[in-house]
Amino acid sequence: DTEVTQTPKHLVMGMTNKKSLKCEQHMGHRAMYWYKQKAKKPPELMFVYSYEKLSINESVPSRFSPECPNSSLLNLHLHALQPEDSALYLCASSLRPLEARGHYEQYFGPGTRLTVT
Amino acid sequence: AQSVAQPEDQVNVAEGNPLTVKCTYSVSGNPYLFWYVQYPNRGLQFLLKYITGDNLVKGSYGFEAEFNKSQTSFHLKKPSALVSDSALYFCAVLNGRGNTPLVFGKGTRLSVIA
Repeated sequence: DTEVTQTPKHLVMGMTNKKSLKCEQHMGHRAMYWYKQKAKKPPELMFVYSYEKLSINESVPSRFSPECPNSSLLNLHLHALQPEDSALYLCASSLRPLEARGHYEQYFGPGTRLTVT
Repeated sequence: AQSVAQPEDQVNVAEGNPLTVKCTYSVSGNPYLFWYVQYPNRGLQFLLKYITGDNLVKGSYGFEAEFNKSQTSFHLKKPSALVSDSALYFCAVLNGRGNTPLVFGKGTRLSVIA
């Protein structure tokens, strides 16, 4: 199984809503990542989890709250988002985290297309 | 700090012709280099990587890339393009210690015309 799954595929939410994005992998990977991608742009790193602990937060606003309940699951909780937060949110995983000082490629999920109205 | 440049926003090639998508990098120490492809409304798919050894790296779907240390380049190539290769291609780099986040280039849109 070399797949990263993400749910939902699409999400429309108002600025006062609370919603969550879910990401799952069963490859035994110990690093998981959240990226935000705007149209025709490269992915922008948001958060990195290494061995289920938050290791990198790229100065992301607090309206985005990540959670890693176990080594296979990664959530992104959303609250009071702004229209400019509309984007494709990508989850990725790699066998080992950055601290392992390796060269491990990241495997990406299909993304959640988020629209904030 | 590491960086990646993809000098072409768009590359057009006729089906059956060879294709090249360019990438140059800047990193302290030895680089780890990656190519990813993204089809419309999809996540990124890993194509290939260079770590060390042979400068010509072979990857998925018939793609290969050539590492050139003196020119700090890692161009993606394919001998015969298919219409289905049309997608957005990203080059990415990790520094040789691998302890900083992956840095992506801005992407190159490849259009293969039948």
